[in-house]
Amino acid sequence: ETGVTQSPTHLIKTRGQQVTLRCSSQSGHNTVSWYQQALGQGPQFIFQYYREEENGRGNFPPRFSGLQFPNYSSELNVNALELDDSALYLCASSLAGAGAVIGTQYFGPGTRLLVL
Amino acid sequence: AQSVTQPDIHITVSEGASLELRCNYSYGATPYLFWYVQSPGQGLQLLLKYFSGDTLVQGIKGFEAEFKRSQSSFNLRKPSVHWSDAAEYFCAVGAKENNDMRFGAGTRLTVKP
Repeated sequence: ETGVTQSPTHLIKTRGQQVTLRCSSQSGHNTVSWYQQALGQGPQFIFQYYREEENGRGNFPPRFSGLQFPNYSSELNVNALELDDSALYLCASSLAGAGAVIGTQYFGPGTRLLVL
Repeated sequence: AQSVTQPDIHITVSEGASLELRCNYSYGATPYLFWYVQSPGQGLQLLLKYFSGDTLVQGIKGFEAEFKRSQSSFNLRKPSVHWSDAAEYFCAVGAKENNDMRFGAGTRLTVKP
């Protein structure tokens, strides 16, 4: 059983650029959630994807968008990067039935994004 | 929406001493409660979870937590701390009605030799 993997591990971008982060879910899981963790803080929920559709969203602007693919892997896209977007981006996968997630989330190692 | 408070930003304990990390949550119904641990530069590892049933939950690495509805708490305990337990600990609350899992700000644990 493979765990959650994320790529790249580190990334440096400049303000105004766009970035794509990738996540492969744990085998057997059908749901992916993305979190932003700023330095010294707890993770903040960005959104979740279930069956290739957005299935819940936190308080993040539309320039944060995502995709889920048929193999349940996922991408997080951030447009028009701002300095405050510098953070550790965590992906978590889980197994859920229809509707709300009640499965336990398992986290990947994260992608550390620095915006200059 | 649900929320979590971890009152202690930083705790220092001696190796071999007992540990209790506090977590208080706010949610109208029965929450789903989790404790995760994060080592520097790493992702989060699940220690234990509570969904329903027995309010005393056993986890990995010798940790346990007790759900107390009357106090809206889910404190994490370990009888004897090891140096390798030094890390950041996060309490989280989820709800059946939404997909927004809320995390506390974390408690950083330092273990003295």
